Amino acid sequence: KAGVTQTPRYLIKTRGQQVTLSCSPISGHRSVSWYQQTPGQGLQFLFEYFSETQRNKGNFPGRFSGRQFSNSRSEMNVSTLELGDSALYLCVSSFGTGELFFGEGSRLTVL
Amino acid sequence: QKEVEQNSGPLSVPEGAIASLNCTYSDRGSQSFFWYRQYSGKSPELIMFIYSNGDKEDGRFTAQLNKASQYVSLLIRDSQPSDSATYLCAVKKGSGGSYIPTFGRGTSLIVHP
Repeated sequence: KAGVTQTPRYLIKTRGQQVTLSCSPISGHRSVSWYQQTPGQGLQFLFEYFSETQRNKGNFPGRFSGRQFSNSRSEMNVSTLELGDSALYLCVSSFGTGELFFGEGSRLTVL
Repeated sequence: QKEVEQNSGPLSVPEGAIASLNCTYSDRGSQSFFWYRQYSGKSPELIMFIYSNGDKEDGRFTAQLNKASQYVSLLIRDSQPSDSATYLCAVKKGSGGSYIPTFGRGTSLIVHP
């Protein structure tokens, strides 16, 4: 069974640019969440999509957005990048009841 | 006060010893509790979950939940160097899929030979 696939794995951007990250969840999983992980703040919840609808949202500014497609694949976008956006962005796939399956992450560096 | 608190460590134990990792949470209405392990440079993976007060054992791992005191712990018996990782505690307000877990910042465990 294929795991959660995230692309790209690594990327470097400069301040002011925007970035789009992609995630393919485990087949059959309809819930996709995104988390930001940094050494200082740990794992911070960004948003969750279920059947193409945003079901939950964390406390991040509007520069962070996401969407989910009919095949459950999801993308997140960060516009007007800031230095503080440098982090590991983790996509999480879930069947719904409890266990979260994490992708390997997209490591973003903002210069 | 952070919703889920863990001692950042590192917690250092010798091989073969029992490692005890603790987590406290602030929301008394929390119902689901999870322990994830994250190796350096890797993503978290689920070790155990517990919903009811008491102990739950799975191999060398035991999760303990005390809702009255609002803490959950993870015991690792016969610790191995391969157990060296960061352990994340996660707490959910409900058991359904619409509830989002809140993660602690994790405790770094080092098991030395």
